[in-house]
This record gives sequence, structure tokens and C-alpha cells, in this order.
Amino acid sequence: GENVEQHPSTLSVQEGDSAVIKCTYSDSASNYFPWYKQELGKRPQLIIDIRSNVGEKKDQRIAVTLNKTAKHFSLHITETQPEDSAVYFCAASIRSGGSNYKLTFGKGTLLTVNP
Amino acid sequence: ETGVTQTPRHLVMGMTNKKSLKCEQHLGHNAMYWYKQSAKKPLELMFVYNFKEQTENNSVPSRFSPECPNSSHLFLHLHTLQPEDSALYLCASSQDLDRLQYFGPGTRLTVT
Repeated sequence: GENVEQHPSTLSVQEGDSAVIKCTYSDSASNYFPWYKQELGKRPQLIIDIRSNVGEKKDQRIAVTLNKTAKHFSLHITETQPEDSAVYFCAASIRSGGSNYKLTFGKGTLLTVNP
Repeated sequence: ETGVTQTPRHLVMGMTNKKSLKCEQHLGHNAMYWYKQSAKKPLELMFVYNFKEQTENNSVPSRFSPECPNSSHLFLHLHTLQPEDSALYLCASSQDLDRLQYFGPGTRLTVT
């Protein structure tokens, strides 16, 4: 199918710990994988993305890893802070017919960072 | 933050009212989207337009009627809504259907 599965649905960590959110996809031809952060009452915003020709990408405390063989990608947040508390969505470009692709979202992970 | 704008930001309407939500993007994108986000629930894709043509309708009830007069504007016309339609309605746009989507701030809709 064309689903993107995201786990866990909720994640609670202590401030300073690391948080990892995982997504799997079904289409081996998928080539673009963004991650969004949605703070309470606000719009989803891109925090990091990765393309299929790269295995890992870092931006300060945030990193994304991609395993094309296993068809999964993960968001890693190190040294978590209370302001990291939000809903995080993964997405993947999934084939929608012929040579057409569309961006498909996971169901989101509610991350709570406890002070 | 002003690439995709939505109006109104908040809307309270009765079940017999007719109202419209407006979305405008200033990014030169070709695709626009409507999402519904209920409390503590995932993003639910409602409609997709690409080059002004509707390419996706995810079994949305007919009380929601989209309109895309050009690639920069997207409307969602609402009539005879139900209380369970209360949610955050997000508009998004992207250069193409498989590219990064940029979201508007959303319209918080309450149906009484």
C-alpha cells in the first residue's frame, strides 16, 4: 500500500535524554523524507529532511537517518529540552500511479519532554 | 511565515450557516491542499489541487465544497456542518505533489 507508519504515537522523555521516532514506508522508489514539528496551536513546520541519496543528515541536536534497504527512517533528537515538546510528523514521497509521486504523512508522535 | 495565509483564523458557525475558508499562497507553487486536524488526531487529507485541477478527494462529505480559481487561491465552502466537523483546517501548498508542503496557520472551526 501507500501508507507511512510512524511509531511511537506518544513518547515521554526526561529533559536531557534522547528521543527517537521511527517511520516505515512501503514504496522502494520513495526518494524524499521530510520531518515536521507542530507545536500546540501552530502549523506544522519543516525541521529537517533527507533525500534517498544520503544516509544521514544532522542539524545541531536533530538528525535523520535513512535505511533504504529496510525502508525506514528515523528522527533523533539529542539533549532534549522542554521546548522540543510537540507533535512530530514524518512524511515520504509515495508513488501514486505511473510515474507520479505524492507526499504522504505519518500519523504523528506526541513528544513530551519533562523538566 | 507569510508564504501561506489563511482567513479567518477562527470561525464559529451554526449548523445551518454557510461560510467559506480562504487560503492564499505567495510561493508560486502549483499544488494546494486542505487538511482537517481534529484534537489529538493525525492530519486528514481532504482535497488536493494541482494546476487548479482537483486530483484527490478523500471521501469528504458534500457539505465541504472546495474551489480553486487559480494556483494561488484555494477556498473551502462550508454548509450544514455537524458538530463533529469542529477542527483545525489547514491549507498547504507545494511546488509539485511530491515536494515539501508549506502549511498555513490554519482556521480553528467550531460548529455549534
